[in-house]
Amino acid sequence: AQTVTQSQPEMSVQEAETVTLSCTYDTSESDYYLFWYKQPPSRQMILVIRQEAYKQQNATENRFSVNFQKAAKSFSLKISDSQLGDAAMYFCAYRSPIQGAQKLVFGQGTRLTINP
Amino acid sequence: ETGVTQSPTHLIKTRGQQVTLRCSSQSGHNTVSWYQQALGQGPQFIFQYYREEENGRGNFPPRFSGLQFPNYSSELNVNALELDDSALYLCASSLQMSQETQYFGPGTRLLVL
Repeated sequence: AQTVTQSQPEMSVQEAETVTLSCTYDTSESDYYLFWYKQPPSRQMILVIRQEAYKQQNATENRFSVNFQKAAKSFSLKISDSQLGDAAMYFCAYRSPIQGAQKLVFGQGTRLTINP
Repeated sequence: ETGVTQSPTHLIKTRGQQVTLRCSSQSGHNTVSWYQQALGQGPQFIFQYYREEENGRGNFPPRFSGLQFPNYSSELNVNALELDDSALYLCASSLQMSQETQYFGPGTRLLVL
């Protein structure tokens, strides 16, 4: 079974600075999908970025980028120019491509605080 | 395009009772997944429905059951509620294609007393 580990329960960063959230995962599959979701106090889980394991290029979405290290099974999220609205719980998630097994497996989350 | 909606927003029940939570999928999506998120934890997969049939289940007892309707909306039913069932219940919809992303609703907060 796949597992996802986020080793940083809490992180804080000054507004406008850069922060990196860590995620490692365990799987025996060679093809899969990785996601970062953001959950603000409103509770709704919002997709931040996704990465297909077969792609060598790291995904980027505006101020958000990932460092995907397949051999190390590492998938970190970098947030540049942090803004107050980035404050939230961030969850790393893994999904298998196999039909009937497309559940998301989540990590425990990292609470990100932005200091003004 | 309409996003994923869930009802009710909050719910309080007593141990032993039954509860039904509802989810309307995003327009064009035919797959619905349900997750349970206990306080301070990441979401845990309950089950997934595709074209009205269960298409994968997590490690939850049979008293957790579901339905999907022809319009792809879905219900989560929990019988014989226990205190540990208190959690945020999240619904997510997607297209049943291996590369598709799941989009989440705002959740239903269930409190069992």
